[in-house]
Amino acid sequence: NAGVTQTPKFRVLKTGQSMTLLCAQDMNHEYMYWYRQDPGMGLRLIHYSVGEGTTAKGEVPDGYNVSRLKKQNFLLGLESAAPSQTSVYFCASRDQGISNQPQHFGDGTRLSIL
Amino acid sequence: QQQVKQSPQSLIVQKGGISIINCAYENTAFDYFPWYQQFPGKGPALLIAIRPDVSEKKEGRFTISFNKSAKQFSLHIMDSQPGDSATYFCAVSWGKLQFGAGTQVVVTP
Repeated sequence: NAGVTQTPKFRVLKTGQSMTLLCAQDMNHEYMYWYRQDPGMGLRLIHYSVGEGTTAKGEVPDGYNVSRLKKQNFLLGLESAAPSQTSVYFCASRDQGISNQPQHFGDGTRLSIL
Repeated sequence: QQQVKQSPQSLIVQKGGISIINCAYENTAFDYFPWYQQFPGKGPALLIAIRPDVSEKKEGRFTISFNKSAKQFSLHIMDSQPGDSATYFCAVSWGKLQFGAGTQVVVTP
């Protein structure tokens, strides 16, 4: 069972460069999420999607864009990377229905912006 | 703003001891209180969760205590083992999860 797969696992960018992080899930989940994890701040929600073709802003959306063209994939884009976006990015998915369905996380993408 | 405050930031416990992590929240609309466990290099994974109509939930060595009037909940790890060394996050939810800052637990042999 692959679950939630994130690619790439590591990446180093220069300020101003762009890139896309890919999240793929094989559990047929409706809901998908992108978080960033920074020391001492827990996980903060960037964007999320409640189904194919839908996206919504989370707690810290500025500087990021997302797309959910296929149910199994959720892409996170950085158009012009900034050092403040150095972080570990996690994707998660969960089944639809009541909110206490557990979220299943990938193993993260470690991104450094120089 | 952080919706849930978690303490301590870190703790060291001897094998066989009890680890206690506390979380406090303000918004009484939250209806789901999970704890996630994260090992280095891995994503968080759901450990145990509770709803506000229950005061305690136990799964193996892990127990959540929930105090609705005080708006606090805590995770107790009984008989702590070296394999429990990880970062633990509490969270609150009313549709979307909001996480605490995390507690790094180290269990010494």
